[in-house]
Amino acid sequence: QVQLVQSGAEVKKPGASVKVSCKASGYTFTDYGISWVRQAPGQGLEWMGWISTYNGNTKYAQKLQDRVSMTTDTSSSTVYMELRTLTSDDTAVYYCAREEGTMVDYWGQGTLVTVSS
Amino acid sequence: DIQMTQSPSSLSASVGDRVTITCRASQYISSYLNWYQQKPGKAPKLLIYAASSLKSGVPSRFSGSGSGTDFTLTISSLQPEDFATYYCQQSYTTPALTFGGGTKVEIK
Repeated sequence: QVQLVQSGAEVKKPGASVKVSCKASGYTFTDYGISWVRQAPGQGLEWMGWISTYNGNTKYAQKLQDRVSMTTDTSSSTVYMELRTLTSDDTAVYYCAREEGTMVDYWGQGTLVTVSS
Repeated sequence: DIQMTQSPSSLSASVGDRVTITCRASQYISSYLNWYQQKPGKAPKLLIYAASSLKSGVPSRFSGSGSGTDFTLTISSLQPEDFATYYCQQSYTTPALTFGGGTKVEIK
C-alpha cells in the first residue's frame, strides 16, 4: 500500500532553518512527483512547491521561493523540504503528498513545525 | 495566479440533509478541479477528481459537477462521518496547485 511517512515534530527559533523528510513506499518512487502543502493553525491549505522525483526539477510558490528548497534521494525513496529564515508565520503542519497527474492522491501524516523564541 | 473562492465558508446542517458547496476559479480551468475532505488532526483525503470523477472507495452520496470557472460539491444525504472541512483545488497550472479557503460543515 502507498505510504508517505514524515519526520517528527520540530521546534525552532526565529531565524533558524528546518528540514522535514518524507519517505515513500508501496509504489515506484520515480513515477510520481511530490508536493508540499502546509496548514497554519486553524487555517486553510497552502501549496508550497513540488519536486520531480524522476529528475529533481522543482517548482516553488512565489512567496516562498527565496526560502524553500526541495530535494530527492532516490536511493532511499525520500524527499526533503528545507525552509530557511523561519518566523512565527511559518508555524504550521507541513504535509508531503504524492502528485498523480492533476491530483494529489496520497498524503503524509503531517509534521508540526513550531517557531518560537 | 489563479484564485479559488469557496462558499459558504461554513454551514450547519442535519444528518440526512442535502449539502452543496460551491467553488469559483478566478479564470478558466476546464475540469481541472479536485475536492478534498479534511477532519481535525488528519491529512486531507481526495474525494472527487477532474471535477466529477469519484475516487474509488468514496461513498456515492458525494458528487461533483461543473467546468470552466464554476464548480459544486454535493453531499446527497449528510452522514455523521461527513462533518468535516472541504477544500477545492485547481490543477490547471499543475504542478503548481491552488486550494480554496475551505468550507466547514458542522452539525446543526
